[in-house]
Amino acid sequence: DTAVSQTPKYLVTQMGNDKSIKCEQNLGHDTMYWYKQDSKKFLKIMFSYNNKELIINETVPNRFSPKSPDKAHLNLHINSLELGDSAVYFCASSQDSSAGETQYFGPGTRLLVL
Amino acid sequence: AQSVAQPEDQVNVAEGNPLTVKCTYSVSGNPYLFWYVQYPNRGLQFLLKYITGDNLVKGSYGFEAEFNKSQTSFHLKKPSALVSDSALYFCVPDTGRRALTFGSGTRLQVQP
Repeated sequence: DTAVSQTPKYLVTQMGNDKSIKCEQNLGHDTMYWYKQDSKKFLKIMFSYNNKELIINETVPNRFSPKSPDKAHLNLHINSLELGDSAVYFCASSQDSSAGETQYFGPGTRLLVL
Repeated sequence: AQSVAQPEDQVNVAEGNPLTVKCTYSVSGNPYLFWYVQYPNRGLQFLLKYITGDNLVKGSYGFEAEFNKSQTSFHLKKPSALVSDSALYFCVPDTGRRALTFGSGTRLQVQP
């Protein structure tokens, strides 16, 4: 049983395209996150949803739009892809958004924009 | 504000030897501290965390960490390293922003 799953694992696409990454968690958690890992391995928070409500929206281009159809899913849609969007995107979930809650990460989606 | 420092970009250790990956923290109030590991081309896995209580925290895969308030450290340790422990290790503070703040981590290389 995969706790936090992401699809696809790899995504290679051309500049200007629109793509989506899906995330699902079967842990019954209330809070889900999207992180971006750059080439130097830094992870930065992009978005967080708690019970389908957006609670964190970091400074990311508005080409990135998260959507949470239900508590178990948080998808990331990216419009007009740019070269700089190439990175690994990680989804995570936690029981809730309280301090000290453990976040459980998905396997990542490696996005390459050509 | 809470932040951590991992002073070593890379740690090399021989298989079977004890390993330590260092982390020092700078916090106001009581810190929440996590260790995560990222194996090559894989996602991040939770190892252990310190919230409160016992200073010695035991985690997954035989790892443990000791919260040391006087030295403001939270070093990750394992008594006997395995080649399969080779990975990128992150000491992560919970800054209360409802998201974790990751640095660039420490790469552990265990040589056979």
